[in-house]
Amino acid sequence: GAGVSQSPSNKVTEKGKDVELRCDPISGHTALYWYRQSLGQGLEFLIYFQGNSAPDKSGLPSDRFSAERTGGSVSTLTIQRTQQEDSAVYLCASSLDPTPGYEQYFGPGTRLTVT
Amino acid sequence: GQNIDQPTEMTATEGAIVQINCTYQTSGFNGLFWYQQHAGEAPTFLSYNVLDGLEEKGRFSSFLSRSKGYSYLLLKELQMKDSASYLCAVRDQQGGNTPLVFGKGTRLSVIA
Repeated sequence: GAGVSQSPSNKVTEKGKDVELRCDPISGHTALYWYRQSLGQGLEFLIYFQGNSAPDKSGLPSDRFSAERTGGSVSTLTIQRTQQEDSAVYLCASSLDPTPGYEQYFGPGTRLTVT
Repeated sequence: GQNIDQPTEMTATEGAIVQINCTYQTSGFNGLFWYQQHAGEAPTFLSYNVLDGLEEKGRFSSFLSRSKGYSYLLLKELQMKDSASYLCAVRDQQGGNTPLVFGKGTRLSVIA
């Protein structure tokens, strides 16, 4: 079946502009996560949605970052007034609750470059 | 704070065995995961350990010692396609599929 998809695959933007990154999770997966991966760094948790519960926003690095998940499916990560340090690969993952080990399935990521 | 340590890089020979170690210090523990990530691609799930001991899955095995905060991933009969980054990740919260805390990954190069 279809996996997690993300768009765009690459995004180049100028410093100060806003960007929106999209994630389509696997159908039926109740949990959705956003991580980012900077060069030489591990995956950094950003935000987590589980069903209809309030999202866990504890990983968002600043108030310029926000995310929403509409209808329990598609999610959009918005970065306002982008900075050069926002350049990274933004990965979305989804997970079915429950699965053995609660495996997370990752999308291919969006590579964001802020110039 | 949360701390997950693994070697940055390793090199091994095709056909050999390699062990990638991971140590962790987290506020809680509810399972340890290994993921494989080829350059420019999404991480893919390899293994999951929540109890002490060895989990074997084909050429890959993963070991966990909760008392030592230690895991390793063992890759046997190495193939060139195993050249990738291997990510150790810990679920530090209870309650199901909560987010993972990742190490920086170990980049494995398999040489002929």
